[in-house]
Amino acid sequence: AQSVTQLGSHVSVSEGALVLLRCNYSSSVPPYLFWYVQYPNQGLQLLLKYTSAATLVKGINGFEAEFKKSETSFHLTKPSAHMSDAAEYFCAVEDDKIIFGKGTRLHILP
Amino acid sequence: GAGVSQTPSNKVTEKGKYVELRCDPISGHTALYWYRQSLGQGPEFLIYFQGTGAADDSGLPNDRFFAVRPEGSVSTLKIQRTERGDSAVYLCASSLGSLKNNEQFFGPGTRLTVL
Repeated sequence: AQSVTQLGSHVSVSEGALVLLRCNYSSSVPPYLFWYVQYPNQGLQLLLKYTSAATLVKGINGFEAEFKKSETSFHLTKPSAHMSDAAEYFCAVEDDKIIFGKGTRLHILP
Repeated sequence: GAGVSQTPSNKVTEKGKYVELRCDPISGHTALYWYRQSLGQGPEFLIYFQGTGAADDSGLPNDRFFAVRPEGSVSTLKIQRTERGDSAVYLCASSLGSLKNNEQFFGPGTRLTVL
């Protein structure tokens, strides 16, 4: 079965600093991978999706993720954090439905 | 409507009662999914429909949970003999087709509280 593991349930970064949220996948076939964001009291929103077309995927709000098969990783990054990036982030894998990780709450320090 | 809608937005019930949660997918979307999100957790898959039929119900936790989609559009998630552990946000999502080629759109969720 497909699964993803997110390292760190909480991550804090200073405003303007690099954001790095870690995700490792477990899949027996080339996976379709996703990052979703959930802002407080809002619904889930797709940030970006990997479909094997390119290993570096650019998403909305300046986020990007790189698929690394050798490391079975799909980490999410953003060069410079904004206060508005504070939210819960979920890594996920497609298996006819979406299988989500447990989430990482991103805190932005002023 | 423009997006996935779910009703009610909040439901408070007593232990042992029966509840129904409704999902209206985006018009024309053939696939419909139900997830459950407990506090501090990621969404957990429950069931998904392709048209009127349940293509995968492997996530339903037990036989107290049941879902239908009789006309291939609106879906109802039914929970019998509710327990306090059923308290969670129940999310519905829909897509045009396979998630390999189509985006899944989520509704705002129904917050179920079992007292």
